[in-house]
Amino acid sequence: SQTIHQWPATLVQPVGSPLSLECTVEGTSNPNLYWYRQAAGRGLQLLFYSVGIGQISSEVPQNLSASRPQDRQFILSSKKLLLSDSGFYLCAWSAGTKNIQYFGAGTRLSVL
Amino acid sequence: EDKVVQSPLSLVVHEGDTVTLNCSYEVTNFRSLLWYKQEKKAPTFLFMLTSSGIEKKSGRLSSILDKKELFSILNITATQTGDSAIYLCAVGLNYGQNFVFGPGTRLSVLP
Repeated sequence: SQTIHQWPATLVQPVGSPLSLECTVEGTSNPNLYWYRQAAGRGLQLLFYSVGIGQISSEVPQNLSASRPQDRQFILSSKKLLLSDSGFYLCAWSAGTKNIQYFGAGTRLSVL
Repeated sequence: EDKVVQSPLSLVVHEGDTVTLNCSYEVTNFRSLLWYKQEKKAPTFLFMLTSSGIEKKSGRLSSILDKKELFSILNITATQTGDSAIYLCAVGLNYGQNFVFGPGTRLSVLP
């Protein structure tokens, strides 16, 4: 069966510090991978998605970047965090003809 | 611009009540409509609907899609405190980022 791992679960970082959040998927090949941000009380905002190794599409211009160094690994990064980067970050994957997204447990990021 | 709207945004009911959550959409290349339940962390998948008029059912939850009027409803009967969560509606597309999410409905079920 397929599983998705996302870490860390919580993170407190000072303004101006770098960021690296990691997501890995097991049990499937060539998944579509996604990074979302969810502000308190709001829906999911798509940040990046990837349909293959090294292929990244950005949906919202911002202080963040994403990379996909391996088929089932998706990384969200920032060189210098801003206060506005605080939020709940979710990684997700989808594959096959069913077109259903499955989510990781999320990372709650607080930038102070 | 592709858009998904949910209503109400927030709802408070008592155990045993029946609730109906609404989702309407305006997208250019519809593929499917999905419902998720989000408690504290990851949204968990509930239903995927692709055809109008066919009800999907799982226990006390059911959902139906109307592709002509561009909306879906999620019904929860005999609500329990464990149903308290944010319910997210998403539309799967045939291109681009593939999914557009609504803002969610926050359901609180009081004992």
